[in-house]
Amino acid sequence: AQTVTQSQPEMSVQEAETVTLSCTYDTSESDYYLFWYKQPPSRQMILVIRQEAYKQQNATENRFSVNFQKAAKSFSLKISDSQLGDAAMYFCACRTGANSKLTFGKGITLSVRP
Amino acid sequence: GAGVSQSPSNKVTEKGKDVELRCDPISGHTALYWYRQSLGQGLEFLIYFQGNSAPDKSGLPSDRFSAERTGGSVSTLTIQRTQQEDSAVYLCASSLKGVGSNQPQHFGDGTRLSIL
Repeated sequence: AQTVTQSQPEMSVQEAETVTLSCTYDTSESDYYLFWYKQPPSRQMILVIRQEAYKQQNATENRFSVNFQKAAKSFSLKISDSQLGDAAMYFCACRTGANSKLTFGKGITLSVRP
Repeated sequence: GAGVSQSPSNKVTEKGKDVELRCDPISGHTALYWYRQSLGQGLEFLIYFQGNSAPDKSGLPSDRFSAERTGGSVSTLTIQRTQQEDSAVYLCASSLKGVGSNQPQHFGDGTRLSIL
């Protein structure tokens, strides 16, 4: 079984600034995938970025990038040039190759100050 | 439609009643998942369907919960004799493949269930 921990319940960032959201995980599997999902008030979970554990290169998607530290089992999300529309709950999730279900952290609420 | 569709969007019912929640996955997606999100919490896995294989029911919290997927497409999650602790948002997701795939799960807007 895997666990995902997001220890910061809330964060705030000034518009146009950069913010980093922390996540740690634990799994005994060698084949796994990591994801960040965004959940705005509309409730829909939107995939932000994903990382395959076997890839050393950190994933990037426009203003979103990750810092994947495999040995430390850390998977943080960096949002550059923060926009008002980035305000939402962000969930870190893990899925092993052997089991397709996602294990989620408790989430972090990000607010963006204009 | 283009995305995962769930109905109803909101459901209010009395304790002890049965409820059915519906999920219509993205066309062509063989894998379908149900999750539960309690207030202020992350998502908790409930059940997973992959093609014609036996579903993974390991996340169902009690025998009051059941789910079926007819014809490999639409799924119904049924909660019998509802309790107040069943109040939550129930989210459905689908993906192109299941085990061993890095295909992401695409989520619906969820059903907010409130038990009075």
